[in-house]
Amino acid sequence: DAMVIQNPRYQVTQFGKPVTLSCSQTLNHNVMYWYQQKSSQAPKLLFHYYDKDFNNEADTPDNFQSRRPNTSFCFLDIRSPGLGDAAMYLCATSSSGGRSFYSNQPQHFGDGTRLSIL
Amino acid sequence: DQQVKQNSPSLSVQEGRISILNCDYTNSMFDYFLWYKKYPAEGPTFLISISSIKDKNEDGRFTVFLNKSAKHLSLHIVPSQPGDSAVYFCAARDFYGGSQGNLIFGKGTKLSVKP
Repeated sequence: DAMVIQNPRYQVTQFGKPVTLSCSQTLNHNVMYWYQQKSSQAPKLLFHYYDKDFNNEADTPDNFQSRRPNTSFCFLDIRSPGLGDAAMYLCATSSSGGRSFYSNQPQHFGDGTRLSIL
Repeated sequence: DQQVKQNSPSLSVQEGRISILNCDYTNSMFDYFLWYKKYPAEGPTFLISISSIKDKNEDGRFTVFLNKSAKHLSLHIVPSQPGDSAVYFCAARDFYGGSQGNLIFGKGTKLSVKP
């Protein structure tokens, strides 16, 4: 089945130690998203790639970076994790990214990576 | 300030009855609305959507109603089944706004369907 896969499911890192979360997809979607979700909160969009075009949300901290080496893979890098960065990180994909008014394709989510900071 | 609000953190319903999950929004420019369902330890799964030019969309046991004048969206599940127990997220898109058509999510409502 075509899907969005996130690895690892659980990640523990130390305060200030860089960490990378990965996401891969077999859906061949051109848009990939990274969300941060804290307990009992709404998923918050960090950034997205429209093909190779990177789009950062205005309030995403500089500590968060992303790479998309090809269509299938996207990485979230946290350069110096703080305690406030402990959260569930969700990757999602869609086709067109909603830039076509007539394309109402929903986003498909992975199962997330739960990040803990020691 | 939250643009998409799900004011009920939780809802409990008896199996076979109707579940009604509510969502309010503040941005009149939202053009597309979606509901996602999330089980523990899994990512959100798309459930049903509705365009702002419609007031109702139905898919099996799931119906979404949109009241644009009230800026209110609701998801009806009839009949409710224990397997429907999950967190339900409402999401909205503002295609012509500054968000480039990205989705804005509510905080979710946890539905419990009791046998």
